[in-house]
Amino acid sequence: NAGVTQTPKFRILKIGQSMTLQCTQDMNHNYMYWYRQDPGMGLKLIYYSVGAGITDKGEVPNGYNVSRSTTEDFPLRLELAAPSQTSVYFCASRYRGLNEKLFFGSGTQLSVL
Amino acid sequence: GQQLNQSPQSMFIQEGEDVSMNCTSSSIFNTWLWYKQEPGEGPVLLIALYKAGELTSNGRLTAQFGITRKDSFLNISASIPSDVGIYFCAGQGYSGAGSYQLTFGKGTKLSVIP
Repeated sequence: NAGVTQTPKFRILKIGQSMTLQCTQDMNHNYMYWYRQDPGMGLKLIYYSVGAGITDKGEVPNGYNVSRSTTEDFPLRLELAAPSQTSVYFCASRYRGLNEKLFFGSGTQLSVL
Repeated sequence: GQQLNQSPQSMFIQEGEDVSMNCTSSSIFNTWLWYKQEPGEGPVLLIALYKAGELTSNGRLTAQFGITRKDSFLNISASIPSDVGIYFCAGQGYSGAGSYQLTFGKGTKLSVIP
């Protein structure tokens, strides 16, 4: 059982560079999410998707873009990396429904220098 | 937006001691979840609570859904070194358009002294 898989595990970017954080899940979950985690700040929702072709902004979407062309994949795109985007990024997924549990990937640690 | 206050922010305890942490909210939630995060890993679900007043155990862990639906607590009994990590509470509420979103607390960092 792979669950939620994120790549890469670590990445260092220069200011202004772009990159895509990959996320895939094999549990046939409808909902997928991207969070960022800053020290002592908990988890902030960046974007989420309730199904293929449907995405919506979370609490901190600026500087990011997402797409959901398949049920399995939910990549997060940084177009012009800024130091403020240095963080640990987590992808998560769950089934549709009131009481469904959220499962997380192991994270991508990103540094923008 | 919804906010969660999780306390304490950090704890240093002796192995074998009991631990208690809690979360309070300004809003009502219909689900409370407790997660544990170890270094370099994503949060892992420990306990899920679905009804006001519900008390649920998972081994040495016990969590309760407050009757006001605005708070929850997590207790760990007889702590051991592998309990070290960051514990997050999360409340789930309806966010409109058929969607339910989680709001996370800022975490309680637990250190266990052998």
